[in-house]
Amino acid sequence: KAGVTQTPRYLIKTRGQQVTLSCSPISGHRSVSWYQQTPGQGLQFLFEYFSETQRNKGNFPGRFSGRQFSNSRSEMNVSTLELGDSALYLCASSSQSFLNEKLFFGSGTQLSVL
Amino acid sequence: KQEVTQIPAALSVPEGENLVLNCSFTDSAIYNLQWFRQDPGKGLTSLLLIQSSQREQTSGRLNASLDKSSGRSTLYIAASQPGDSATYLCAGNAGGTSYGKLTFGQGTILTVHP
Repeated sequence: KAGVTQTPRYLIKTRGQQVTLSCSPISGHRSVSWYQQTPGQGLQFLFEYFSETQRNKGNFPGRFSGRQFSNSRSEMNVSTLELGDSALYLCASSSQSFLNEKLFFGSGTQLSVL
Repeated sequence: KQEVTQIPAALSVPEGENLVLNCSFTDSAIYNLQWFRQDPGKGLTSLLLIQSSQREQTSGRLNASLDKSSGRSTLYIAASQPGDSATYLCAGNAGGTSYGKLTFGQGTILTVHP
């Protein structure tokens, strides 16, 4: 069974640009969560989608948005990039029909904002 | 607001030692707790999930326990090997509507030298 796939692996953007990251969950998983990881703040929750609906959202500005498609693939978008958005962005999937399930993470997209 | 602390921040041990990593959380209303390992520049690999009704989980040389009343979890690694070198992260879920949302500690960097 293929794991969680994130593309692209690396991205370099400049301030003010926008970026879209993609995540394909494990087959059969309907929940996709996104996290931002930085050396200073560690791992922070961005949002979670289940069956194309956002069920949960972290404390990030509106520049961070996401969506989920009918095949459970998810994208997250960051508009008007700032230097502080440089981070490893991780997505995780689970079936999440209930809470007591493991989250399985992808390898992440390393975003550098110059 | 849930805060998760991991002690020690870094640990270096010779191969073969048994070791304990600690995780404490401020809000005892934690629903479940998951331990992960992260290799440099990579995503997270789920190690153990202690579900809401459980107090302990074991997998191979790993054993994790959860004491909600004291707000603590420990990860025990038996007979450590150089391949165990990684960052170990604990993360809790608050239950309720916290789908996909884990609160992470800052991690313990483990180095096992031959």
